[in-house]
Amino acid sequence: SQKIEQNSEALNIQEGKTATLTCNYTNYSPAYLQWYRQDPGRGPVFLLLIRENEKEKRKERLKVTFDTTLKQSLFHITASQPADSATYLCALDMYRNSGNTPLVFGKGTRLSVIA
Amino acid sequence: GAVVSQHPSRVICKSGTSVKIECRSLDFQATTMFWYRQFPKKSLMLMATSNEGSKATYEQGVEKDKFLINHASLTLSTLTVTSAHPEDSSFYICSGQGATEAFFGQGTRLTVV
Repeated sequence: SQKIEQNSEALNIQEGKTATLTCNYTNYSPAYLQWYRQDPGRGPVFLLLIRENEKEKRKERLKVTFDTTLKQSLFHITASQPADSATYLCALDMYRNSGNTPLVFGKGTRLSVIA
Repeated sequence: GAVVSQHPSRVICKSGTSVKIECRSLDFQATTMFWYRQFPKKSLMLMATSNEGSKATYEQGVEKDKFLINHASLTLSTLTVTSAHPEDSSFYICSGQGATEAFFGQGTRLTVV
């Protein structure tokens, strides 16, 4: 079955710096990979999706890369702000090429942006 | 994005009682919804897939007689934790599926005392 690792349980950075979070996966070739934000006591909120044939995706201050050879995705937040403090989850489609597939999640990285 | 409403957000119940959690899709029809469980510092784990008009499918290790799922309409799925025990205390989250991304409810923090 798929295994997802988000190497850092927690990451502290200074406001204004770029935060880089890592997601590695094994035993699978996903059709796409997603990143979600989760605040304490709340459900995850979708941020970005990147497909297997895409190398990079951007949305405002967010950037995601996807290396299917390394089986790794990097998630960047540039010009980080204290409001970016949250847990960020990496997720893969459980069933490839299924239009209605549940997701497999990593444990998440808790990001703290210090003013 | 689509909106999924889940309630209650928090519930405390006595051991041995049952608790029902509702999940509604407010602006889309969901033939399928997913129920996840999240323990502290752990990842969200899929418990079951709720299918409108048919039986739910459960992941390995999830007791279907303990976690009853009903998906009677295209906008409502319910999860009932029966005969709850302290080890069932967790964060339960439902989701509906868009074309690719998932839309999650707010989650329910269940505490069994």
